[in-house]
Amino acid sequence: GDSVTQMEGPVTLSEEAFLTINCTYTATGYPSLFWYVQYPGEGLQLLLKATKADDKGSNKGFEATYRKETTSFHLEKGSVQVSDSAVYFCALSNTGNQFYFGTGTSLTVIP
Amino acid sequence: DVKVTQSSRYLVKRTGEKVFLECVQDMDHENMFWYRQDPGLGLRLIYFSYDVKMKEKGDIPEGYSVSREKKERFSLILESASTNQTSMYLCASSLVGRYNEQFFGPGTRLTVL
Repeated sequence: GDSVTQMEGPVTLSEEAFLTINCTYTATGYPSLFWYVQYPGEGLQLLLKATKADDKGSNKGFEATYRKETTSFHLEKGSVQVSDSAVYFCALSNTGNQFYFGTGTSLTVIP
Repeated sequence: DVKVTQSSRYLVKRTGEKVFLECVQDMDHENMFWYRQDPGLGLRLIYFSYDVKMKEKGDIPEGYSVSREKKERFSLILESASTNQTSMYLCASSLVGRYNEQFFGPGTRLTVL
């Protein structure tokens, strides 16, 4: 069945460091891929998405490229800020109505 | 601005009580979902609904039921709450189709004593 595997956390970085959170997926067909962010005490918010191979999603300095050959959708940001501290979820949506989420990666950015 | 609202942010109930969690969306979405979120386990789907009065079991439906009488409202019911149902409950909604993202409510943190 469809599934998402993302890098275990927690991740701690200094401000202005480079961020990569790895995400790989297993799916038949042509899924859409998403990154969500959850700030403390809140629900999930869409960060970015890509709906076909080689698409790059981007938002708020974050980027991820849909790589079908490696079944990956890694999240990157060139220079993290304290305000980026949150939990990040990779997800996929395929035919049908369901989403499949990774287990989440907690990021803490220290000044 | 699109919105998913949940009836309570925090709820404390006693073992054996019947608990209702309500979710309302104002986006005319066909699909609605209930998840629970636990540390280390991510989001687990309890139930989803793709139309009024329609429901499908997710990965962990045991101990829960749902109701969708109107398109905008999706209720999660714990028939007899137990301590292992202490968790964060998240509601989401979406349009039909794999290109469409899910929109989430703020969550309800339920504690069962």
